[in-house]
Formats: sequence, C-alpha cells, structure tokens
Amino acid sequence: QKEVEQDPGPLSVPEGAIVSLNCTYSNSAFQYFMWYRQYSRKGPELLMYTYSSGNKEDGRFTAQVDKSSKYISLFIRDSQPSDSATYLCAAMNYGGATNKLIFGTGTLLAVQP
Amino acid sequence: GAVVSQHPSRVICKSGTSVKIECRSLDFQATTMFWYRQFPKQSLMLMATSNEGSKATYEQGVEKDKFLINHASLTLSTLTVTSAHPEDSSFYICSARDIDSSYNSPLHFGNGTRLTVT
Repeated sequence: QKEVEQDPGPLSVPEGAIVSLNCTYSNSAFQYFMWYRQYSRKGPELLMYTYSSGNKEDGRFTAQVDKSSKYISLFIRDSQPSDSATYLCAAMNYGGATNKLIFGTGTLLAVQP
Repeated sequence: GAVVSQHPSRVICKSGTSVKIECRSLDFQATTMFWYRQFPKQSLMLMATSNEGSKATYEQGVEKDKFLINHASLTLSTLTVTSAHPEDSSFYICSARDIDSSYNSPLHFGNGTRLTVT
C-alpha cells in the first residue's frame, strides 16, 4: 500500500464548476499536508499547506484535512481553464531536520472553457 | 521569494556519458535540498537528501555511485548522473528548504530537468 493514495484522473469539468480533489494516506504520523500544482514540464508549485486537521482557505482554494479518516481534500471554486494542471497532494511527518515529503500520484485536471 | 533555479531544463546525452544538473536557491540559503525523479504520469519519488557540507542520504534502491550529489554551498546542490543509460531518462526535480524556516515548512521546487539518454 502506498503511503499516499490519489486518484490519477483525468478529471474534466466545465469552467465555473467546483472541483474536489482527494487523497488518502496510511501513515498516522503524518501531520503536515500540502497541495502542489504542476503544469506540464514544470516543477510543482505550492498551493496550500496545512497542519493537522481542519480547513484552510486561500482565495478560490480550500484545503481540508480529516486525520480521523486519513483523508485530505482540495476544493477549487469557480474553476478556470488556467487551473488545468496536475494536482499533487503530499504529506510529511514530524521527525526532524530531514523530514521527507511523500507525494500522491497526482490528479490531472482539465477545465473546459 | 523562495525561488529555486534548476539548470539545464532539458538535456539529451548519449548512453555511457555523465550529466550534471544544478539546483540553486536564488534568494535564500538552504542547508537541505532534495532530489526527486518523476516518470511520466507518476508521482515524484524522493531519490536523496542533500546536506550542505556532508554526505547525501539516499533512499532505498537509489544507487549512490550512479547518482552523485554534491552540496558544496548553502545555495547550490548538484546531481550527476554517471554512465547514463536509457532507463535513466526521466524528469529530475530538486527542492530546497529555507535555512531560516522550520524543518516542517513546505518545500520550494525548481522547474525540473528533463533528461533523455539515447
């Protein structure tokens, strides 16, 4: 079992739709959770960073973590064609200076104009 | 802020040659940099953790003699793929953590290097 599981998609939605992206994880030691956006042939760009359970909102993006069910989500409101990219969830444990970031496989999102 | 520059962005080399990839933190210092590899439609897999002034820590299954890492300064880490073979063709991405940030702060990534070995 992978430590972080993510549906690879692809996910296609019309412009303006609400997008829900999800990941599950198995390691209960994970306490820090991130969402990265990766455009084709580019490095990942940090979107959201959360600690432990709860919600965090930034503009059209909301990140949600439910540690009880080991479930993390990213919601995108009023999706735009420019949001079309691969979205990677990632988790990190609490263990010192060389904390490792474990990524999901990424979900490819296409927002149709 | 927190810009990580990676060079080259793309390289094609012949089988058996060596290729060096540079990762620089442009506006911050990093004692720790991380090297990832990403195959098409797959996630980023951590290869090694690069520590300034000391030996890199490699993940299980990654050959340290094949993937040489040097972290000579607080702003530069290099990955050298030695005696490259076609199966080494991949997208290599580095990331860095600001020295002034806590160890649980998020990573900033470079734009990656696409290596093609013919």
